[in-house]
Amino acid sequence: GENVEQHPSTLSVQEGDSAVIKCTYSDSASNYFPWYKQELGKGPQLIIDIRSNVGEKKDQRIAVTLNKTAKHFSLHITETQPEDSAVYFCAASMAKAAGNKLTFGGGTRVLVKP
Amino acid sequence: GAVVSQHPSRVICKSGTSVKIECRSLDFQATTMFWYRQFPKKSLMLMATSNEGSKATYEQGVEKDKFLINHASLTLSTLTVTSAHPEDSSFYICSAKIQGRGTEAFFGQGTRLTVV
Repeated sequence: GENVEQHPSTLSVQEGDSAVIKCTYSDSASNYFPWYKQELGKGPQLIIDIRSNVGEKKDQRIAVTLNKTAKHFSLHITETQPEDSAVYFCAASMAKAAGNKLTFGGGTRVLVKP
Repeated sequence: GAVVSQHPSRVICKSGTSVKIECRSLDFQATTMFWYRQFPKKSLMLMATSNEGSKATYEQGVEKDKFLINHASLTLSTLTVTSAHPEDSSFYICSAKIQGRGTEAFFGQGTRLTVV
């Protein structure tokens, strides 16, 4: 089955700096890679996703890159703000059918220091 | 749009009792819902895939008689923790995919279960 590794497990950045989280996956058949933000005591919220036919996607301060050959993808947050502090999860799946399940990385706890 | 609501958000129950958690898709139909368990400071562990009108598919190591899943309609799936014990205490989260759109998964806000 799919295995997703995520690094780092914790990340502390100064407000205004950039944060980068990296994930690798094992199954070359995976073609959908979402990123979720989870605040304390809440469920994960989708913040951005990318499909395997795209190498990069950006949404305001958030961007995701995908390298299919190397089987890794990354989340980039620029101009970090204290409200970006949360746990971030990457995931992978084969998005060809509604039943396909997500495999999650271990999570990255991001702390943005004011 | 694409709102998933879980109820209750918190529940405390006594050992030996059963607890039901509801997962509703409020503004879309979901033929498939997923149930996850999350331990403190850990990732989400998929417990089972719930398909409307059929039996749930459980992940290896998850006791189906312990965690009963029912998906009776296109907008509601329930997880019942039977004969709960303290080790069942955890954060349970559901997600749903929009019927006909097999990619994005939308998550509920989670249910904190404490068994005393």
